[in-house]
Amino acid sequence: RKEVEQDPGPFNVPEGATVAFNCTYSNSASQSFFWYRQDCRKEPKLLMSVYSSGNEDGRFTAQLNRASQYISLLIRDSKLSDSATYLCVVNGDGNNRKLIWGLGTSLAVNP
Amino acid sequence: GAGVSQSPSNKVTEKGKDVELRCDPISGHTALYWYRQSLGQGLEFLIYFQGNSAPDKSGLPSDRFSAERTGGSVSTLTIQRTQQEDSAVYLCASSLTRMQFFGPGTRLTVL
Repeated sequence: RKEVEQDPGPFNVPEGATVAFNCTYSNSASQSFFWYRQDCRKEPKLLMSVYSSGNEDGRFTAQLNRASQYISLLIRDSKLSDSATYLCVVNGDGNNRKLIWGLGTSLAVNP
Repeated sequence: GAGVSQSPSNKVTEKGKDVELRCDPISGHTALYWYRQSLGQGLEFLIYFQGNSAPDKSGLPSDRFSAERTGGSVSTLTIQRTQQEDSAVYLCASSLTRMQFFGPGTRLTVL
């Protein structure tokens, strides 16, 4: 089993749609969770951290389910500019700052 | 407020030549990471520096790859006797906590 697994997609959705991505991780000792976004031929950029209680940033909501070892990202009212690859990122165990990166989920928002 | 910078932005070299890629992390960030990304692929971890600790070199693909970090700041990734399969974007990231911030990358092409 891969340490971090994501559905590669692509997800094709119309503008204004709500779309959700899930990501599973294998290390139950992981403590830090992030979503990054990567545009084509650009570097990854931090989208949001994922907190235990779930957190929201505008149209984006992230949730963590420790029991089932997955995190999710929900995008509401999707915009054309949301088209990108969304990377799920999890730290190793303990205080390890080394992050384990998923291969990403591709999202295309269509007019 | 400078972010992570990398140089050169593009490097074209001939098979068998050595190359050096440079990364200037965000000032004060104690951790520095090197990744590479081939076209359409995920991030491949190469090496990780954390303060004065011995670097985690577990991702280096062969002994042709080496990296150093001088004075806890600037880092140089060296690839000796480059091969065509080394062609990729080499990304550097730095962090103070677990959130990593990326530079724009160096696109390496080995002819």
